[in-house]
Amino acid sequence: GAVVSQHPSRVICKSGTSVKIECRSLDFQATTMFWYRQFPKKSLMLMATSNEGSKATYEQGVEKDKFLINHASLTLSTLTVTSAHPEDSSFYICSARGPTQGNEQFFGPGTRLTVL
Amino acid sequence: DAKTTQPTSMDCAEGRAANLPCNHSTISGNEYVYWYRQIHSQGPQYIIHGLKNNETNEMASLIITEDRKSSTLILPHATLRDTAVYYCIVFPGNEKLTFGTGTRLTIIP
Repeated sequence: GAVVSQHPSRVICKSGTSVKIECRSLDFQATTMFWYRQFPKKSLMLMATSNEGSKATYEQGVEKDKFLINHASLTLSTLTVTSAHPEDSSFYICSARGPTQGNEQFFGPGTRLTVL
Repeated sequence: DAKTTQPTSMDCAEGRAANLPCNHSTISGNEYVYWYRQIHSQGPQYIIHGLKNNETNEMASLIITEDRKSSTLILPHATLRDTAVYYCIVFPGNEKLTFGTGTRLTIIP
């Protein structure tokens, strides 16, 4: 299957700082990328959908000014958690879908964010 | 708006077949049945999907009932590495994936 990478795999930051997480499709062009958040022992919650070259569509209850998503190229999307607080600590997972991959979504390995 | 119902947890002996059920009684005609799994602290992994017919790949088999209201994922020879949360998802295939709570499968040595 297609490969999606995320960087960093884990990050610890101080409250009030911003953190950027990168999601890359390594061997296919991702016209659509998705960002999920997962709290311990809970299921994945979709945060937003981004299409290359256009603004992201956020799910209800997700603050777009806090979680900035950029999908500037067909292989890269970034999620920036602005002014992070301890309650933003979570496992962030991206997935990607492209025209050569049918309808399958391929997931990255996730990024563990801890805000102190 | 849960579209699928799965048991919360299941155990299976190593080497035996693991059969994971999923009910999706409100599935629409254009919706596929997808299965993903998530091993602890990793991203979800695609397993298999189907529309009406039974499907098999190197990982698993998917059995869909004739009325499409339920399905079963079969891992033919479970190993310890198959311990994970398994998600059954129905969706049209060109939209966003929404995850339910899944089934926590534990393979017992």
